[in-house]
Amino acid sequence: ETGVTQSPTHLIKTRGQQVTLRCSSQSGHNTVSWYQQALGQGPQFIFQYYREEENGRGNFPPRFSGLQFPNYSSELNVNALELDDSALYLCASSLEEGSPDTQYFGPGTRLTVL
Amino acid sequence: GQQVMQIPQYQHVQEGEDFTTYCNSSTTLSNIQWYKQRPGGHPVFLIQLVKSGEVKKQKRLTFQFGEAKKNSSLHITATQTTDVGTYFCAGYNAGNNRKLIWGLGTSLAVNP
Repeated sequence: ETGVTQSPTHLIKTRGQQVTLRCSSQSGHNTVSWYQQALGQGPQFIFQYYREEENGRGNFPPRFSGLQFPNYSSELNVNALELDDSALYLCASSLEEGSPDTQYFGPGTRLTVL
Repeated sequence: GQQVMQIPQYQHVQEGEDFTTYCNSSTTLSNIQWYKQRPGGHPVFLIQLVKSGEVKKQKRLTFQFGEAKKNSSLHITATQTTDVGTYFCAGYNAGNNRKLIWGLGTSLAVNP
């Protein structure tokens, strides 16, 4: 196990609702990255947080937002859910900001939007 | 934008046969990482290659990074049923170490 935990494991929401997903990073890691993985696809980078600041962002609309807390845990918030938001949401923690370091993934949250 | 292509998309082999997946980037990469994802699981880091022409081995797995740092391969010798899963390559664009670009993965099935 990587020591990265995510909650909840599964979630069902309806269109237009809002959702908050949580990630607890591996001890000592100060960087968290969030990914969206649609069925049969590779993970798509959403954004990265380093020491509570957003540190890079992929091609996702502003309704995808995040937070990182002083203990380096993190949240992903998605507003105005759409059917296409149904996916596995993965967080990954790593040790240093911006360095090509190993990312340790959590088990993911499976989000279904009806 | 930057793309990372992986081929083949699927591969079905008999146990004991070899397997290779190839990864090609449209731009030069600062490094490349390989991950394995079992069905229903999450990606698990396998290895990182940084140097041009680098070759690394992990037991039956051999990883290569191209001279131009735009392509990579993963070769598994004598596959076993435990090798089943999807193998992803992912790379950082040279000059942007924040955004890991992933290939679509190669799904490997192994017949016992």
